[in-house]
Amino acid sequence: NAGVTQTPKFQVLKTGQSMTLQCAQDMNHEYMSWYRQDPGMGLRLIHYSVGAGITDQGEVPNGYNVSRSTTEDFPLRLLSAAPSQTSVYFCASSRTSGGGQDTQYFGPGTRLTVL
Amino acid sequence: GENVEQHPSTLSVQEGDSAVIKCTYSDSASNYFPWYKQELGKRPQLIIDIRSNVGEKKDQRIAVTLNKTAKHFSLHITETQPEDSAVYFCAASYYGTYKYIFGTGTRLKVLA
Repeated sequence: NAGVTQTPKFQVLKTGQSMTLQCAQDMNHEYMSWYRQDPGMGLRLIHYSVGAGITDQGEVPNGYNVSRSTTEDFPLRLLSAAPSQTSVYFCASSRTSGGGQDTQYFGPGTRLTVL
Repeated sequence: GENVEQHPSTLSVQEGDSAVIKCTYSDSASNYFPWYKQELGKRPQLIIDIRSNVGEKKDQRIAVTLNKTAKHFSLHITETQPEDSAVYFCAASYYGTYKYIFGTGTRLKVLA
């Protein structure tokens, strides 16, 4: 199993550009989520999904869109990048969506810089 | 809203000593408390977790304690080794919310 994979590993955008961060998992996990990690602020939840076709907002959803058309994939879209979105983005998945209380497996992260 | 405070932000210990990191949560409904270790440039990885129906859990040199009345939980690492050097994050969640609130992290340095 590859586990949770993310692409790209690094990305530089100009303000106003759009892009999609890819996330995939091959563990048949129901629950998937996106976090951003900024210095001194820990991990903050952007969006999450408890199954194909079901998504919801986390703590910091503004400026980001998600969709979940398959169990395996959970892409994160930046509609119009802003310097405040410069961060490291982690995707995570877990085995069960039953209350969300199971081990979360994180992807390797995407380091995004917005100029 | 929900909040998790984590202290200290940095911690230096001599190799072989113990390290303790503390977290306090605000939502009394929280009942699941995982701890993650993140090495430099790597992804967070779960090292131990505890649910509110137990007060303590151990796994070799790592233990977590939970005080539901005071709404705080702590990570204890005994006989620290240089490879324990990393950033440690606590988190809190409760059944049915699907949301994890993370602490701001503790950078642990184990000095040889």
